Amino acid sequence: NAGVIQTPRHKVTGKGQEATLWCEPISGHSAVFWYRQTIVQGLEFLTYFRNQAPIDDSGMPKERFSAQMPNQSHSTLKIQSTQPQDSAVYLCASRWTGASQNTLYFGAGTRLSVL
Amino acid sequence: DAKTTQPDSMESTEGETVHLPCSHATISGNEYIYWYRQVPLQGPEYVTHGLQQNTTNSMAFLAIASDRKSSTLILTHVSLRDAAVYHCILRVAVRDSGGSNYKLTFGKGTLLTVTP
Repeated sequence: NAGVIQTPRHKVTGKGQEATLWCEPISGHSAVFWYRQTIVQGLEFLTYFRNQAPIDDSGMPKERFSAQMPNQSHSTLKIQSTQPQDSAVYLCASRWTGASQNTLYFGAGTRLSVL
Repeated sequence: DAKTTQPDSMESTEGETVHLPCSHATISGNEYIYWYRQVPLQGPEYVTHGLQQNTTNSMAFLAIASDRKSSTLILTHVSLRDAAVYHCILRVAVRDSGGSNYKLTFGKGTLLTVTP
């Protein structure tokens, strides 16, 4: 089990460019979460999917950010027209559903740097 | 959102026992207490969790106060590998169309430094 896989590990974009971040959850996990981590704000919840359906996107910025889960083996977080304030580590996590106390497994994250 | 309060940092020496405190005065009766830790360049790693009774596993011992308003993560014989940011989190139950689900809301955590 390779754990949650996130690619790329580090992405550098110019201001105004688009960035797409990829996440491969652990096989069999049907819940996928996206978080953003910065020094100032700490770890912030962005959105999560359950059985590929978007359930809660209350943490997503209303503009420029979107997330999808086209199949059970991967999810993407897309940021259009990136801005310097989008620079952060974006973390993906997954877990089983159905039981009441399932552990969340995190990937190593993608560090996004917007110049 | 559920709130926890932790010290910003703590220091220890290899081989010691460390007590990491967490205050959660407004915890609800059905909220679980989770602990995760994070080292640089990695995502958070699950340590342990509990509801009311103390729990123990290979990584740590979790002591929960009888009124559940605070908890302490106890690490015995710490090593350099235990140096990390330790997050105390309350599991917030969120009910969705498919049944109960939840998300974890993280705070800043406690930076544990371990010296040789």
